[in-house]
Amino acid sequence: EVQLVQSGAEVKKPGESLRISCKGSGYSFTTYWISWVRQMPGKGLEWMGRIDPTDSYTTYSPSFQGHVTISADKSISTAYLQWSGLRASDTAMYYCAREFARANDFWGQGTLVTVSS
Amino acid sequence: SYELTQPPSVSVSPGQTASITCSGDILGNNYACWHQQKPGQSPVLVMSQDDKRPSGIPERFSGSKSGNTATLTISGTQAMDEADYYCQAWDSNTALYVFGPGTKVTVL
Repeated sequence: EVQLVQSGAEVKKPGESLRISCKGSGYSFTTYWISWVRQMPGKGLEWMGRIDPTDSYTTYSPSFQGHVTISADKSISTAYLQWSGLRASDTAMYYCAREFARANDFWGQGTLVTVSS
Repeated sequence: SYELTQPPSVSVSPGQTASITCSGDILGNNYACWHQQKPGQSPVLVMSQDDKRPSGIPERFSGSKSGNTATLTISGTQAMDEADYYCQAWDSNTALYVFGPGTKVTVL
């Protein structure tokens, strides 16, 4: 069974750093790219970027380029999304999702990130 | 950047047909897919490559595309189909994905 299990909810202060994770199981982790998707409270889905776990090649939406970093450790089948300086506007649910045939076919359960002073 | 357009809401009576459209220039040369998201849950892929239903998705869900507009159709809509639906497409010009703004389907 394909599963993407994300790390738990986080509460941080503005300016703090954070890394959240997404562990894949039930499939060959290096065969499929992983996307990260943001959903702000009460809003729609926003595609942030993607990574090829084979070689950690990444692409980013212009809206997120420079503010987040996507990485992966294929030895433990885990992808990461990280910030070096959180803002209150980063408060959102973040999903990782596997890619297949130009679609995100399996999704993680989501990680809620709250940034508040 | 390219954008996808969806109606904000669609209302349908139980047992009737709901159609949700997604329009955008990038759909002319790229596949559309559709995700269903119920409150408090992760999205679920319900249609890929314009008209391919993933395993486990009921047959009442179907997809089509004509030119720059993709359509998700729910035939014999059930109360459990009430959810937000998002289209998604790959933009081959920028090598990035794009989501539509989402359509709230209400089963009255």
